[in-house]
Amino acid sequence: DVVMTQSPLSLPVTLGQPASISCRSSQSLVYSDGNTYLNWFQQRPGQSPRRLIYKVSNRDSGVPDRFSGSGSGTDFTLIISRVEAEDVGVYYCMQGTHWPRTFGQGTKVEIK
Amino acid sequence: EVQLLESGGGLVQPGGSLRLSCAASGFTFSYSTMSWVRQAPGKGLEWVSGFSGNGLSTFYVDSVKGRFTISRDNSMNTLYLQMNSLRAEDTAVYYCVKDWQAGDWGQGTLVTVSS
Repeated sequence: DVVMTQSPLSLPVTLGQPASISCRSSQSLVYSDGNTYLNWFQQRPGQSPRRLIYKVSNRDSGVPDRFSGSGSGTDFTLIISRVEAEDVGVYYCMQGTHWPRTFGQGTKVEIK
Repeated sequence: EVQLLESGGGLVQPGGSLRLSCAASGFTFSYSTMSWVRQAPGKGLEWVSGFSGNGLSTFYVDSVKGRFTISRDNSMNTLYLQMNSLRAEDTAVYYCVKDWQAGDWGQGTLVTVSS
């Protein structure tokens, strides 16, 4: 199975400051169709996960533009340009290229 | 608006069975790939099983192979997960998820395996 490794696992941030989460995969996530299926999810306390970013850098509908994704191959990054209080929660990366789908361990974002 | 409503969770003894259901609406269910993802209490996310829209492909994580069966009824817009030989480590919230890239999630149903 493809192992997804996130860092850091805990991320205290100051309101209004940027936050960055890294995700690395044990294999390339480039699919045979040329796309890279790396997605990012946010799970607020007590809620279901919600997809923020698909195929590395595409924001889902309704996702604020302070969230951005980048990367290629096996190295990917989620950036929150200016953290707001509503961004508190756990963030997961997920690879959608290989079976079974696999998630990173999660990064807990909290306000300092 | 996509809606996914899971049901069927509960308390079951080790070795027992449960069938989860996911009622879908707001999209063309028969064309959509669907999956189950679970989350043990206080833990991360684990993809359990997936089913293609055309019914030709099913996928399972190794830990549930031979015990869980995913199925769908396109006439009822419903996804199922039959879970047999349940173990304590299957205790989790089970989410119904739309498409291979998990674009939409239900609210989840809690399965507790305990004596």
